[in-house]
Amino acid sequence: ETGVTQSPTHLIKTRGQQVTLRCSSQSGHNTVSWYQQALGQGPQFIFQYYREEENGRGNFPPRFSGLQFPNYSSELNVNALELDDSALYLCASSSLSTGDEQYFGPGTRLTVT
Amino acid sequence: QQQVKQSPQSLIVQKGGISIINCAYENTAFDYFPWYQQFPGKGPALLIAIRPDVSEKKEGRFTISFNKSAKQFSLHIMDSQPGDSATYFCAANKGFTGNQFYFGTGTSLTVIP
Repeated sequence: ETGVTQSPTHLIKTRGQQVTLRCSSQSGHNTVSWYQQALGQGPQFIFQYYREEENGRGNFPPRFSGLQFPNYSSELNVNALELDDSALYLCASSSLSTGDEQYFGPGTRLTVT
Repeated sequence: QQQVKQSPQSLIVQKGGISIINCAYENTAFDYFPWYQQFPGKGPALLIAIRPDVSEKKEGRFTISFNKSAKQFSLHIMDSQPGDSATYFCAANKGFTGNQFYFGTGTSLTVIP
């Protein structure tokens, strides 16, 4: 069974640029959630995708958007990057069979300069 | 508004000692309370979780104590080992009706040999 994978591992962008982060969910999981984890803080919920539709969103502006594909992999897109967007972005997958359990990937470290 | 409050921020314990981390929540709709362990550069890993219908759950050296009336829950790590040194996060979720996990701010645990 393959775990949750994310790419890239690290990324450096300039303020105002756009970025796309990718996540492959664990085998058999049809739900993907994205979190932002600032340094020294707990993860903050960005949004969740279930069967290619957004299924809930946290307190993040519209410049944070996402996609889920038929194979349940997912993308997180962030437009007009700001310095405060520098964080670890985590993807977590789950399914009805896992109940409430979410399994996290290793994250993508984004630095905005 | 922090939905889940966690303390202490950091904790130093001698090898073989008991580590205790506390969390409190306000939303009585929460019905799933996991604890995650995170090592530097890694995503959070599910450690143990509890539902409000039980007051305690034990898995190996890890125990969750849950006090529904006080809206508090805690993680106890018995016989703490240097390998337990990591950051621990409590979280809460509304179960099948909820899609958003709310995380505490984390506790950095150091176990001294």
